[in-house]
Amino acid sequence: QVQLVESGGGVVQPGRSLRLSCAASGFTFSSNPMHWVRQAPGKGLEWVAVISYDGSSEHYADSVKGRLTISRDNSKNTLFLQMNSLRAEDTAVYYCAREAPYGSAHFDYWGQGTLVTVSS
Amino acid sequence: EIVMTQSPATLSVSPGERATLSCRASQSVSSNLAWYQQKPGQAPRLLIYGASTRATGIPARFSGSGSGTEFTLTISSLQSEDFAVYYCQQYNNWWTFGQGTKVENK
Repeated sequence: QVQLVESGGGVVQPGRSLRLSCAASGFTFSSNPMHWVRQAPGKGLEWVAVISYDGSSEHYADSVKGRLTISRDNSKNTLFLQMNSLRAEDTAVYYCAREAPYGSAHFDYWGQGTLVTVSS
Repeated sequence: EIVMTQSPATLSVSPGERATLSCRASQSVSSNLAWYQQKPGQAPRLLIYGASTRATGIPARFSGSGSGTEFTLTISSLQSEDFAVYYCQQYNNWWTFGQGTKVENK
């Protein structure tokens, strides 16, 4: 069965960096675009970034452009989110999500999330 | 950016009753609209995609309708496990979510 397991969250000071990982299993990881979605405490869902199935293209929400970088290692079935110059407003649970196959770009599987807290 | 607006923010419903949730897009998203359910402490779960297609394993009491800019999620007879927050998402032009509708026990 499809599994997505995030890791790497924690408490970090403003301006510092953090790298999140999402380990995928149960499907052919290299076939699907992958996404990061975040949810600030008590708030709604915010789409963050997408990476193509082969890693050749990326797109970001304006709120994170230039500070967060999505990448993937298809040989290790792992998705990453490099987070630089972190701000208090980046505090959130970060979910990785699989984009559905066959051309419909909704998210059919989600990880359980990893909490990032930006605080001094 | 396409803005998704959900209404109402909170819906108070008794078990067995019908629940109707609305989602409006700031511009047409065709049928590229999904609905997700999220319970406290859990990840979102896909309910509906393509505006009206139920995801695998989703009960028939959940139905979606609409196209263009106006969409509806209907839960025909609310069960206790359906109390949750529901989000719509457009995927016609990148991706954006609505702010959510909380379905609570009346």
